[in-house]
Amino acid sequence: QVQLVESGGGVVQPGGSLRLSCVASGFTFSSYGMHWVRQSPGKGLEWVAFIRYDGINKYYADSVKGPFTISRDNSNNTVYLQMNSLRTEDTAVYYCARDTFTYSYSTFGHWGQGTLVTVSA
Amino acid sequence: EIVLTQSPGTLSLSPGERATLSCRASQTVTSRYLAWYRQRPGQAPRLLIYSASSRATGIPDRFSGSGSGTDFTLTINRLEPEDFAVYYCQQYGSTSITFGQGTRLEIK
Repeated sequence: QVQLVESGGGVVQPGGSLRLSCVASGFTFSSYGMHWVRQSPGKGLEWVAFIRYDGINKYYADSVKGPFTISRDNSNNTVYLQMNSLRTEDTAVYYCARDTFTYSYSTFGHWGQGTLVTVSA
Repeated sequence: EIVLTQSPGTLSLSPGERATLSCRASQTVTSRYLAWYRQRPGQAPRLLIYSASSRATGIPDRFSGSGSGTDFTLTINRLEPEDFAVYYCQQYGSTSITFGQGTRLEIK
């Protein structure tokens, strides 16, 4: 079965950096686009970033464009989110999500359990 | 960026009743690229509907989606206890994916 396991969350000071990882299993990782989606405490969902199945195309939400970078390692079934210049408003649970369909950019068919990032002095 | 506005903010119904949730887009959603998710407390969201009206794998036919252009609807027939949760719509018709703010479905 599809499994997505995030790690790397924690507490960081404003202006700091953090790198999230998501290890995937149970499917052919190199055939699917991958996303990061976040949810601030008690708030709604916000899409953060997407990386195409082959890593060539990447898209970002305007709110993170520049400080955040998504990447992937298809040999290790892992997707990353490098977060720099963190601000208090980046505090959220960060979910790794697999696109629903192969070779597409669409919906979130499978989700990880999420990892909490807290940006606080 | 396409802004999605969901209504109502909260919907109070009883088990067995029908729920109708609305999602309105600030501009036309290309090719009906509109999805719906359910999120229960403490859990990740689950995909219910994609392409406005197609049910995701394992989703019962109590759930149905409709609409096009800028107006979309999620209908849930015969509400069951596990349906009381928060529902989000999402559009993927542009390179910037966006979500609605959510509708909370609560037990009356």
